[in-house]
Amino acid sequence: DQQVKQNSPSLSVQEGRISILNCDYTNSMFDYFLWYKKYPAEGPTFLISISSIKDKNEDGRFTVFLNKSAKHLSLHIVPSQPGDSAVYFCAATRGGADGLTFGKGTHLIIQP
Amino acid sequence: EAGVTQFPSHSVIEKGQTVTLRCDPISGHDNLYWYRRVMGKEIKFLLHFVKESKQDESGMPNNRFLAERTGGTYSTLKVQPAELEDSGVYFCASSRIRGANTGELFFGEGSRLTVL
Repeated sequence: DQQVKQNSPSLSVQEGRISILNCDYTNSMFDYFLWYKKYPAEGPTFLISISSIKDKNEDGRFTVFLNKSAKHLSLHIVPSQPGDSAVYFCAATRGGADGLTFGKGTHLIIQP
Repeated sequence: EAGVTQFPSHSVIEKGQTVTLRCDPISGHDNLYWYRRVMGKEIKFLLHFVKESKQDESGMPNNRFLAERTGGTYSTLKVQPAELEDSGVYFCASSRIRGANTGELFFGEGSRLTVL
């Protein structure tokens, strides 16, 4: 039973426009959410995170929004750049846990 | 500073054989994790070491999988005997601070295992 869901396997966006990647979760015990970015033949790298006490966190071109009542979070990238083309994984955890629960990932393709 | 290194990058074995994957964490990182991604599915947590001690092995699929971290440095993950469903990419990660909510988890490039 998947606790973190990324329902879009892929997303294509034009360079310069906004990319919005979505993630839903089912476990109400999760209190910390992270986004990882992965290039082919590389390991995932940490991108941005948000605690459940916040509803927004921004870091440069990347903003994560959290809607706890809907158990939904999204990653906004603006403006999108060619180097943003990668697989993005949404992950969640709860206080004290050592492991992350990941979604299946969304392959973002930035079109020139 | 060297990142997390994993060996081999790709291993192809036949069902029933044994494979050992190795992970060298970033120097000074006491926390070492193993994750696995089966084709098209999510990345799943397998286990966590603090130094040489297993802290959480709740994600280990079954007793065909054995992870060790003798001396608290590098770690090995042995699959014996391998089954078809073990095929996937095995990621190792390390961190200086314990806790999945730190964002300070550094992943290796992964070891791809193909079981025929």
